[in-house]
Amino acid sequence: GAVVSQHPSWVICKSGTSVKIECRSLDFQATTMFWYRQFPKQSLMLMATSNEGSKATYEQGVEKDKFLINHASLTLSTLTVTSAHPEDSSFYICSASTWGSNQPQHFGDGTRLSIL
Amino acid sequence: KQEVTQIPAALSVPEGENLVLNCSFTDSAIYNLQWFRQDPGKGLTSLLLIQSSQREQTSGRLNASLDKSSGRSTLYIAASQPGDSATYLCAVREAAGNKLTFGGGTRVLVKP
Repeated sequence: GAVVSQHPSWVICKSGTSVKIECRSLDFQATTMFWYRQFPKQSLMLMATSNEGSKATYEQGVEKDKFLINHASLTLSTLTVTSAHPEDSSFYICSASTWGSNQPQHFGDGTRLSIL
Repeated sequence: KQEVTQIPAALSVPEGENLVLNCSFTDSAIYNLQWFRQDPGKGLTSLLLIQSSQREQTSGRLNASLDKSSGRSTLYIAASQPGDSATYLCAVREAAGNKLTFGGGTRVLVKP
């Protein structure tokens, strides 16, 4: 089946650091990737949608200069949290789908980000 | 704007009982509805996907129904086991585009 790999699975860093999270589709071409954020005991909130080779579309309230998304290839998207602060601590999950309006999203295992 | 609600937020049952998890959505113009399982600190595992034209889907002990006109879906888990303990999320995909809107989840604890 379709596999999405997310790396790192867990990162702890100091306030002010920029952190990059990778999302890779291992056995299919991901024309669209989605980035979600999940606070403890809450549901997933979509942050942005990225199509390969295009600028990401951010959801309302998500700062595009804070959360930089790059989707330069059909197998890799990255989310960079710039100048991270403790309030950015969260669980970040990516998903990927291939071309076609009825294609399912395949989810990565998530990245736990803790900012000290 | 689509809103998805899951009731109850938490559920605790003894092993062997059947589980009934509810999901409601405000906009019936959906493409499909999907149920996921999430273990603590992990990603999502897809359980069942119901297309908008379908009424139900079954996989083993799991059965999900969909009533699009009333904006409801129910996930049934028969003969629950401690290994079924997890958070269950429902998500609807809008008809136009492929964005998913998630409910708040139901945290399930099956006691041995």
